Amino acid sequence: QKEVEQNSGPLSVPEGAIASLNCTYSDRGSQSFFWYRQYSGKSPELIMSIYSNGDKEDGRFTAQLNKASQYVSLLIRDSQPSDSATYLCAVNSRKGGGFKTIFGAGTRLFVKA
Amino acid sequence: KAGVTQTPRYLIKTRGQQVTLSCSPISGHRSVSWYQQTPGQGLQFLFEYFSETQRNKGNFPGRFSGRQFSNSRSEMNVSTLELGDSALYLCASSLPRGNEQFFGPGTRLTVL
Repeated sequence: QKEVEQNSGPLSVPEGAIASLNCTYSDRGSQSFFWYRQYSGKSPELIMSIYSNGDKEDGRFTAQLNKASQYVSLLIRDSQPSDSATYLCAVNSRKGGGFKTIFGAGTRLFVKA
Repeated sequence: KAGVTQTPRYLIKTRGQQVTLSCSPISGHRSVSWYQQTPGQGLQFLFEYFSETQRNKGNFPGRFSGRQFSNSRSEMNVSTLELGDSALYLCASSLPRGNEQFFGPGTRLTVL
């Protein structure tokens, strides 16, 4: 079982629709959860972080965390063609006096104009 | 505030050579992590440094090493390069609690 799992996609949604991206993780001791967006040929860009159960909203983005189910998701409302990218789920755990971040393989999102 | 910088941006080496990559974190960030990104394996954690100490290491062979200087700048070294080391190497910096990480533009390494 992978430590962080995401559906690789591609996920295709029409412009203006809601895109729903999902992620599961295996380490119950994980403490911090992140979503990054990565455009082709670019480095990952942090778009959302969430630390406690529930929803966190930032503009068109909503992150949802359910630690009991070891599940984190990202909703993108009013999807735009510029949202077309790979979305990486990242899970942070305390390890060895420091921390270790494990990334999922990413979900490719296509928003059709 | 300036972002994370990495040098060089592109590098071409041949098998058996060694390479050193450099990363300067965001001012005030003392934790630096390195990642390897390939199409097949995705983003793989290499190591994390804080206050010149390696706090964590991923599952990579000993050919991969790193260090951090007193000004928080970090370098990683790969010795005896193999074709499979061709990848995008990313550096990320964060505040000491190690939460939100901010990535540099990466170094694209090609091994021929």
